[in-house]
Amino acid sequence: DTEVTQTPKHLVMGMTNKKSLKCEQHMGHRAMYWYKQKAKKPPELMFVYSYEKLSINESVPSRFSPECPNSSLLNLHLHALQPEDSALYLCASSQVMTSTDTQYFGPGTRLTVL
Amino acid sequence: RKEVEQDPGPFNVPEGATVAFNCTYSNSASQSFFWYRQDCRKEPKLLMSVYSSGNEDGRFTAQLNRASQYISLLIRDSKLSDSATYLCVVNGAGANNLFFGTGTRLTVIP
Repeated sequence: DTEVTQTPKHLVMGMTNKKSLKCEQHMGHRAMYWYKQKAKKPPELMFVYSYEKLSINESVPSRFSPECPNSSLLNLHLHALQPEDSALYLCASSQVMTSTDTQYFGPGTRLTVL
Repeated sequence: RKEVEQDPGPFNVPEGATVAFNCTYSNSASQSFFWYRQDCRKEPKLLMSVYSSGNEDGRFTAQLNRASQYISLLIRDSKLSDSATYLCVVNGAGANNLFFGTGTRLTVIP
């Protein structure tokens, strides 16, 4: 089973709202990732967690706050977003954070900020 | 210079045609190479990993040329269901940080 699940599938929020995106995997993977993908562009890495610790933050604005409560779950807390943050947010996981591991993507959350 | 460069297309080919995509990467220390497929408004899905010796999976053949730093994907006997965007993906050396090409859009026409 190579399934990564994400909820919600769609989210519409105002600029003053606080919301959270959730990602879950039960493959025993110890590395989890958040990507942002704008239309007709490739995914861009935002954060990487390895063994529940934040390993990479690609200079993401603080209005995005990741959290890894346990090895199966990854959250992305959103606050005071801007309309330009509207995008597809993809979660991925891999066995560990090494350069040869395959990343498996979840279906994404399509976020619209009004 | 971009980490990974690929022709964005679009490629419009008839059913049954053979089509090839290439991409180049800039970091000679890169260790892992992949082709992902992404359907419209869906997540990227691993199509195949790419090995130096070349690898084949049914109608799909991937090749890696480390000396020239390019990766190729060949699709034989194209099907309508092959219509998608094909992403060339390279792993940064030393960490599992994927670098994506811009994707090549393929449309297979009946």
